Amino acid sequence: QSVLTQPPSVSGAPGQRVTISCTGSSSNIGATYDVHWYQQLPGTAPKLLIYGNSNRPSGVPDRFSGSKSGTSASLAITGLQAEDEADYYCQSYDNSLSKSVFGTGTKVTVL
Amino acid sequence: EVQLVESGGGLVQPGGSLRLSCAASGFTVSTNYMSWVRQAPGKGLEWVSVIYSSGNTNYADSVKGRFTISRDNSKNTVYVQMNSLRVEDTAVYYCAREQIYDYVWGSYRPNGWFDPWGQGTLVTVSS
Repeated sequence: QSVLTQPPSVSGAPGQRVTISCTGSSSNIGATYDVHWYQQLPGTAPKLLIYGNSNRPSGVPDRFSGSKSGTSASLAITGLQAEDEADYYCQSYDNSLSKSVFGTGTKVTVL
Repeated sequence: EVQLVESGGGLVQPGGSLRLSCAASGFTVSTNYMSWVRQAPGKGLEWVSVIYSSGNTNYADSVKGRFTISRDNSKNTVYVQMNSLRVEDTAVYYCAREQIYDYVWGSYRPNGWFDPWGQGTLVTVSS
């Protein structure tokens, strides 16, 4: 049972903007821990998309952006493209569980 | 190039054992935090274990007492010994480096992120 909750799915037409929420609590996101995001294309390993709430690693398009406020975080994809169709996971740390925790995952579908 | 390659997965009966390996290249495992993360078929990601640069370790409650993470510095390889395997341990197991230092901003972050990831190795526990 994950302590970080994401919507199971979001969808959008090419070129549109979609957002994925990641809701936690006072023992993880709300405790000032960073939120990181990963993209998992079908049949492949996860890939780092955003680290430290809003930082993009080298090579990640600026269509992807992250933010955090209170006990929640969000990933936004602007100018949605067909190759963005994948599963997306948030990740943080929980100090009551003393471990890294992942979100439930969100499947993005490009219509 | 920074890379991780897992091996050792396979089919094992409930109650059996398996050791997974994660060979690193392009960086030194002994000076990094190294984790195992698993993904059951059709399910989400679950953090399993970490070995810190200090050698200290931590485990998810679901595997504590059954799994042991270790490393061989001479081979630049991380391992996870999995004993008393259960059907619910069936998953793709990924190893990943956990980074906590932001080289762009020159500062430590409060908690780490996983990058890179290996390609994963499938463990199937079934009779």
